Amino acid sequence: EVQLVQSGAEVKKPGATVKISCKVSGYTFTDYYMHWVQQAPGKGLEWMGLVDPEDGETIYAEKFQGRVTITADTSTDTAYMELSSLRSEDTAVYYCATESLYYYGSGERVYYFDYWGQGTLVTVSS
Amino acid sequence: SSELTQDPAVSVALGQTVRITCQGDSLRSYYASWYQQKPGQAPVLVIYGKNNRPSGIPDRFSGSSSGNTASLTITGAQAEDEADYYCNSRDSSGNHLRVFGGGTKLTVL
Repeated sequence: EVQLVQSGAEVKKPGATVKISCKVSGYTFTDYYMHWVQQAPGKGLEWMGLVDPEDGETIYAEKFQGRVTITADTSTDTAYMELSSLRSEDTAVYYCATESLYYYGSGERVYYFDYWGQGTLVTVSS
Repeated sequence: SSELTQDPAVSVALGQTVRITCQGDSLRSYYASWYQQKPGQAPVLVIYGKNNRPSGIPDRFSGSSSGNTASLTITGAQAEDEADYYCNSRDSSGNHLRVFGGGTKLTVL
């Protein structure tokens, strides 16, 4: 059974840095990209970025570029998302999610997030 | 980067059929995936691609795509289908980003 288990809730002051973990089990960690998604209270899902656990390559959304660092530790099958210079607008639930890719015979394809962590609430408050 | 546009809210009578749409240029290059999210829960994949359903998802959920529009259809909506629905696809600009639609709140009357 695939499981993504995230670390617990955090309370941080503005300007601080938070690092959230996502430990996986039930599949080969290096076989699938790991993504992070932000959801502010009452708002929609926002894609933050991804890491390829096989080689550590990362891609970040423009909105978070420069403040977010996503890493993968293959020795512990754990992904991390670090967000710096926190501000009140970063108060949100953060999810990790694995991504799979399905190819159709025609060459068309679809990327999809098939497994999600339970979410980690980060509260930024002075 | 690309954007995906969804209607903010849709309602459906119990047992009737509802279609939730998602529009964006990236959908001309990549199929969408759809996620159901209930309050306080993590999103759940319900449909991906042309019309692929993960195991455990009821067959009343189906998907389709045409041009720059992807659709999620629920045939015979149930009370438990009341939730937020999000579409997602890969960005088509070549920079490997992913993008979510703004979400559609489905109310089952």
